[in-house]
Amino acid sequence: QVQLVQSGAEVKKPGASVKVSCKVSGYTLTELSIHWVRQAPGKGPEWMGGFEPEDGEVIYAQKFQGRVTMTEDTSTDTAYMELSSLRSDDTAVYYCAKNRGDLNVFHIWGQGTMVTVSS
Amino acid sequence: DIQMTQSPSSLSASVGDRVTITCQASQDISNYLNWYQQKPGKAPEVLIYGASNLETGVPSRFSGSGFGTDFTFTISSLQPEDFATYYCQQYVDVPSTFGQGTKLEIK
Repeated sequence: QVQLVQSGAEVKKPGASVKVSCKVSGYTLTELSIHWVRQAPGKGPEWMGGFEPEDGEVIYAQKFQGRVTMTEDTSTDTAYMELSSLRSDDTAVYYCAKNRGDLNVFHIWGQGTMVTVSS
Repeated sequence: DIQMTQSPSSLSASVGDRVTITCQASQDISNYLNWYQQKPGKAPEVLIYGASNLETGVPSRFSGSGFGTDFTFTISSLQPEDFATYYCQQYVDVPSTFGQGTKLEIK
């Protein structure tokens, strides 16, 4: 059974960067398609990007292009999402999620990482 | 980007009621439509995928239908544990987008 365990809460100042980790257990990372979704307080989820096996690469939402980088360390089965030039409206819970592939459903989620951007 | 318009935004109902939530896509998404339940402080959980397929382990009181641009999610008989927020999501193409959510509250 796949499990995704994320790193702990972060508090950052505007302009800084944050790197959130997502440790995979029960499978090897190379077998999975991991995506990142964020949710601002009181708002709906927002897809940020993820690995698309059909393209063989990470696809980012245009909104975050140039500010987000999603990487993987296959030696530790850990996925990372780094967001730079943080603003107050980046304050949100950040989730990693596994895309099962059939009809693109996110069927396993990490527990979430709260990122607070405040001066 | 494909816009997902979900309604209603909130709904009050009683245990045992039948409730329906709708989701309309701004363009044809075939059956690439998923429904999630989210409880406070928790990650979303998938209930329905591919518009009408019940996720393994999800009670049969949950169902979904639709194709193209118009979709419906139904709970046939509300249980106390069903009071939560529900979201639709399309992923026919990038970017994947979510509806704004329906908060289901106890009447």
